[in-house]
Amino acid sequence: QQQVKQSPQSLIVQKGGISIINCAYENTAFDYFPWYQQFPGKGPALLIAIRPDVSEKKEGRFTISFNKSANQFSLHIMDSQPGDSATYFCAASMSLGGSARQLTFGSGTQLTVLP
Amino acid sequence: KAGVTQTPRYLIKTRGQQVTLSCSPISGHRSVSWYQQTPGQGLQFLFEYFSETQRNKGNFPGRFSGRQFSNSRSEMNVSTLELGDSALYLCASSLEHNYGYTFGSGTRLTVV
Repeated sequence: QQQVKQSPQSLIVQKGGISIINCAYENTAFDYFPWYQQFPGKGPALLIAIRPDVSEKKEGRFTISFNKSANQFSLHIMDSQPGDSATYFCAASMSLGGSARQLTFGSGTQLTVLP
Repeated sequence: KAGVTQTPRYLIKTRGQQVTLSCSPISGHRSVSWYQQTPGQGLQFLFEYFSETQRNKGNFPGRFSGRQFSNSRSEMNVSTLELGDSALYLCASSLEHNYGYTFGSGTRLTVV
């Protein structure tokens, strides 16, 4: 059962444009939503994260928008640069009781920013 | 501060063999999680260890196993390898309340 649905699968944007990646989740027990960036040959790296008590979080050119009522969240990359070309994964985390948590990933979006 | 170190980086094995992968977490991180990454299935959770105990397990067959040592280093083992086990195996470490995972660069396993 895919609990986090991510779209689009691939995205091509011109330099300076806005890249938008969307995710939807099914399990309302999720309470922490990070985004990861992965370059070829590397592991995913935490980019930015949000909790459902806020609707938006911005860090530099990266913004997460969160819509709790629709169980959706999205990543916006402003002024996209060729160096942003990577695979982006949304994820959702939930408590399993005690200090244990489980992280579930979306299927990933391959972003290409054209120079 | 050293990151998460995974060894080896690349591995080629034959069907039916077994393999052991190693992960050294960031100093002070006591939780180690393992993920399998493939083009078709994406990032799938294998298991998590905390203080030498398996705290959580994904939906993988019993051929996949792991352990954690007292220094938090972790190993995962895959027995009776199948062609479908070819993947990038990623290790991630975190503090006890694992909100922020730090991933290693992975071990690329190819089964021939």
